[in-house]
Amino acid sequence: AQSVTQPDIHITVSEGASLELRCNYSYGATPYLFWYVQSPGQGLQLLLKYFSGDTLVQGIKGFEAEFKRSQSSFNLRKPSVHWSDAAEYFCAVGDSGNTGKLIFGQGTTLQVKP
Amino acid sequence: NAGVTQTPKFQVLKTGQSMTLQCAQDMNHEYMSWYRQDPGMGLRLIHYSVGAGITDQGEVPNGYNVSRSTTEDFPLRLLSAAPSQTSVYFCASRSGDRDSPLHFGNGTRLTVT
Repeated sequence: AQSVTQPDIHITVSEGASLELRCNYSYGATPYLFWYVQSPGQGLQLLLKYFSGDTLVQGIKGFEAEFKRSQSSFNLRKPSVHWSDAAEYFCAVGDSGNTGKLIFGQGTTLQVKP
Repeated sequence: NAGVTQTPKFQVLKTGQSMTLQCAQDMNHEYMSWYRQDPGMGLRLIHYSVGAGITDQGEVPNGYNVSRSTTEDFPLRLLSAAPSQTSVYFCASRSGDRDSPLHFGNGTRLTVT
């Protein structure tokens, strides 16, 4: 069965520092992978997605993610964090049957120190 | 373009009461789904639909019913609310293309006392 693990429940970084949020997935075939961000009291906004091709994908707000099949990982990165990046981040994998379902990780809460 | 619209934004119920959470999308999306979000558990799928007239259960369907009589609407019904259903509920939709992302509503925060 597909699953997604985000090992870090909570991360704190200083403003201007680099960021990496980890995501590991379990999936039999080539996965469809997503990162979403949720600001407090809001819905989820898509940051980026991976389906095929270049394993380094660029997203909105300066985020990027790298798909590494050998490590079953899809880590999210940003070179320099801004205070407005404080939010909860979710990694997700699309189901194999193309039913529109996503399997989500538990989420990582990012706190940004001034 | 409204996207995915959920109503109400907030709701308080007493145990045993029933209610319907509304979800509508104006993007002509085939797929619609309901998730609940609880602290430390991410989002868990309740029910989903791959088109009008077709629904199926997700990971946590007990206590919830859905129907999909039109492409646009996908209401979620709580027949007899329980405190365990206190959560934030998100409706989402996407097109039939496998590489299209889910579009989420802004959520309904439900408290059952």
